[in-house]
Amino acid sequence: EPEVTQTPSHQVTQMGQEVILRCVPISNHLYFYWYRQILGQKVEFLVSFYNNEISEKSEIFDDQFSVERPDGSNFTLKIRSTKLEDSAMYFCANGRGPSTDTQYFGPGTRLTVL
Amino acid sequence: ILNVEQSPQSLHVQEGDSTNFTCSFPSSNFYALHWYRWETAKSPEALFVMTLNGDEKKKGRISATLNTKEGYSYLYIKGSQPEDSATYLCAFRPYGGATNKLIFGTGTLLAVQP
Repeated sequence: EPEVTQTPSHQVTQMGQEVILRCVPISNHLYFYWYRQILGQKVEFLVSFYNNEISEKSEIFDDQFSVERPDGSNFTLKIRSTKLEDSAMYFCANGRGPSTDTQYFGPGTRLTVL
Repeated sequence: ILNVEQSPQSLHVQEGDSTNFTCSFPSSNFYALHWYRWETAKSPEALFVMTLNGDEKKKGRISATLNTKEGYSYLYIKGSQPEDSATYLCAFRPYGGATNKLIFGTGTLLAVQP
């Protein structure tokens, strides 16, 4: 199965600090997603990204969040000023097409905000 | 609000038992249903993408069926093995919207005892 990788695997930060989570997608898979799972809750959609712009975002994805592909390959999620409630597992997902194609998930980054 | 439910929440079976669990989703606005297998500390592994009412898909000892009219999908594992122990997630892709946003259920945690 194609593989998405994410770094770091675990990030601990202080409230108010900025964090950047990174994802290395699968070659030629041009649809990108971020999801997160707060402990004990469902995996929830944050944002989708295609052709260098956001296609859709959830209400969770407020002005504190941003995404980009800074070098045309890696895909990043930035949280500008972290809050305690941002503590979660963040998953990057990657798909080849827009329709019913499989979304391939990375192993996640566990973010802990103290 | 689109809600996806899975049952049971957890399941303990003996090696060799066959088992099944359920994913319920909104029957209106259906576009696709995804199944994932997620082992701790690993990437969620894509199992199936199902789109057609009555669809049945199979991968080794795992199979899934889909009923879009009544809004449910079953996942079956025949002759469970300890390596099948994982959380099984279903995710609903509603019709419309700009992207492939997935709405996840809570998952079914399967533990297979040797």
